[in-house]
Amino acid sequence: SYELTQPLSVSVAPGQTANITCGGDNIGTKHVHWYQQKPGQAPVLVIYRGSHRPSGVPERFSGSISGNTATLTISRAQAGDEADYYCQVYDSSTVFFGPGATVTVL
Amino acid sequence: QVQLVESGGGVVQPGGFLRLSCATSGFTFSTYGMHWVRQAPGKGLEWVASIRDDGSDYHHAASVQGRFLISRDNSRNTLYLQMDSLRVEDTALYFCAKQRGWLATDDLDFWGQGTLVTVSS
Repeated sequence: SYELTQPLSVSVAPGQTANITCGGDNIGTKHVHWYQQKPGQAPVLVIYRGSHRPSGVPERFSGSISGNTATLTISRAQAGDEADYYCQVYDSSTVFFGPGATVTVL
Repeated sequence: QVQLVESGGGVVQPGGFLRLSCATSGFTFSTYGMHWVRQAPGKGLEWVASIRDDGSDYHHAASVQGRFLISRDNSRNTLYLQMDSLRVEDTALYFCAKQRGWLATDDLDFWGQGTLVTVSS
């Protein structure tokens, strides 16, 4: 089994930067994907393969990986960015999601 | 545009069974891997199962292994999840999701809205 760790919550002031981390053993060797989920909605892909942004996702969302930590960065945070964010990897024929981090903009 | 529409959820007693379906459109279904992911009330995302584009290979999470079976009908552009021996802890919103490509490491680029399964006596 492969374990991913995320902070339970991240708070950010409007217009500031939020960093959401995702830890895992040798995560730098894996493709890390990030999903945003707002209440009552299905998850939406915001970053794939560590740093690639799907079409339609604002440039304010970016991703990076360093060492054993992947990071999703939300720049110039807006109220509409409030959501749960999940990281995801694939390992040994299994898909693993992180526990999720709740981002609050206040 | 890509559309994924799940159906088949409902209320079932422990030990019962359900078959979920995911009708797809807007892409060439037979060339993409597909997944089922579930979310228990108030909890995070949990991967359930995945199947290769041609159905020749599939995998299930340990928590459902031997009870659930993922399958697909490429002639009908539809994904299925047969769920047997259901347990209270299987209660969740079940999403189907499309894989970006054919690599197992690919992300899930489109998701349905989910179908709710409630296991209760």
